[in-house]
Amino acid sequence: DTAVSQTPKYLVTQMGNDKSIKCEQNLGHDTMYWYKQDSKKFLKIMFSYNNKELIINETVPNRFSPKSPDKAHLNLHINSLELGDSAVYFCASSHGTGGHEKLFFGSGTQLSVL
Amino acid sequence: GESVGLHLPTLSVQEGDNSIINCAYSNSASDYFIWYKQESGKGPQFIIDIRSNMDKRQGQRVTVLLNKTVKHLSLQIAATQPGDSAVYFCAETNYGQNFVFGPGTRLSVLP
Repeated sequence: DTAVSQTPKYLVTQMGNDKSIKCEQNLGHDTMYWYKQDSKKFLKIMFSYNNKELIINETVPNRFSPKSPDKAHLNLHINSLELGDSAVYFCASSHGTGGHEKLFFGSGTQLSVL
Repeated sequence: GESVGLHLPTLSVQEGDNSIINCAYSNSASDYFIWYKQESGKGPQFIIDIRSNMDKRQGQRVTVLLNKTVKHLSLQIAATQPGDSAVYFCAETNYGQNFVFGPGTRLSVLP
């Protein structure tokens, strides 16, 4: 069983479209995250949710809107996609938010905006 | 924002040799560090962690060394195998803060 699963694995779309990425974790963790990995492999946090509540919102355009229907799910909706949004997006989860918590990552969604 | 480590370097080692991957971190307040391994097409996977009250920690074939004086972290992999080929990230945090990831090092294992 996959601990953190995200769909789709690949997403190719035109500029200006709206798309969503879904994430689910079956680890019983309280905290979920979205990370963006650019073409140079640099990983940067976008959002963090603890028990369905937003706790971190880094400097991310408001075209990106996370939604957590329950603590096992964290989806990412992106409006008006731009070329610069092309990247790999990783969902992750951790037991808590104390900082000394291992992150468990999904396998990523490669988004290509044409 | 803060960054950890250098621009993505590549390390090539012969199969069976030991590998040493280095990471410089920037926040002297960081007290917890993790090494992650990312294979092609996959998400980062936890390898080993270390807290700031330690300077060395060993796992199976891996050892992490922490030098707080110079803010340096290293990952040693013994008897490197083809399956070790991946990008390796160090990440730092302090209590209540997010992890800050380094840009990673690509390890290539040569036959």
